Amino acid sequence: NAGVMQNPRHLVRRRGQEARLRCSPVKGHSHVYWYRQLPEEGLKFMVYLQKENIIDESGMPKERFSAEFPKEGPSILRIQQVVRGDSAAYFCASSPMTSGGSDTQYFGPGTRLTVL
Amino acid sequence: GESVGLHLPTLSVQEGDNSIINCAYSNSASDYFIWYKQESGKGPQFIIDIRSNMDKRQGQRVTVLLNKTVKHLSLQIAATQPGDSAVYFCAEKRWGDKLIFGTGTRLQVFP
Repeated sequence: NAGVMQNPRHLVRRRGQEARLRCSPVKGHSHVYWYRQLPEEGLKFMVYLQKENIIDESGMPKERFSAEFPKEGPSILRIQQVVRGDSAAYFCASSPMTSGGSDTQYFGPGTRLTVL
Repeated sequence: GESVGLHLPTLSVQEGDNSIINCAYSNSASDYFIWYKQESGKGPQFIIDIRSNMDKRQGQRVTVLLNKTVKHLSLQIAATQPGDSAVYFCAEKRWGDKLIFGTGTRLQVFP
């Protein structure tokens, strides 16, 4: 039962370092979404990608954050020059295909980023 | 609207009782709604979904009700068990396929 895989599960970085978060979608899923969650809050959309394309990045900060979903390999969420405010849980979700905007998204276990 | 709560509302129920968790959504154009369960330290787990052309859908021990007139969604859990303890989020899906999550409700089940 290979669901969405994320690694690392926990990541500690010092201010100014780079953080790379990886997401492997469910096998056969070509759509990946990244969300961020602060403690005691709901998930906030960041970016939506299909293979080799960014479809919607309206929730992602313009600076320091980038995402990719290459033809081969996992999706990567990259945060450059991390600051303490980047500390959060980052979740990846995947879905097989969009069909009238009603496809279910399945979530991974998340990466908990702590910035010291 | 977007989730901005600092403290999650909490619902406490006794084991065996029924639970009802409510959610208000903001966009009348949303056409797909999902309930997720999130246990501590884990990712959201899909529970049940409903499309806007329906007003009720049942799963195993769970029922989702949709009232489009007042933009309200509810999750009913029958015979609540200790394993149901978690935070429950409703989510709405808008054009562009991103999910918009509600604030969340913490469900505590007591023996």
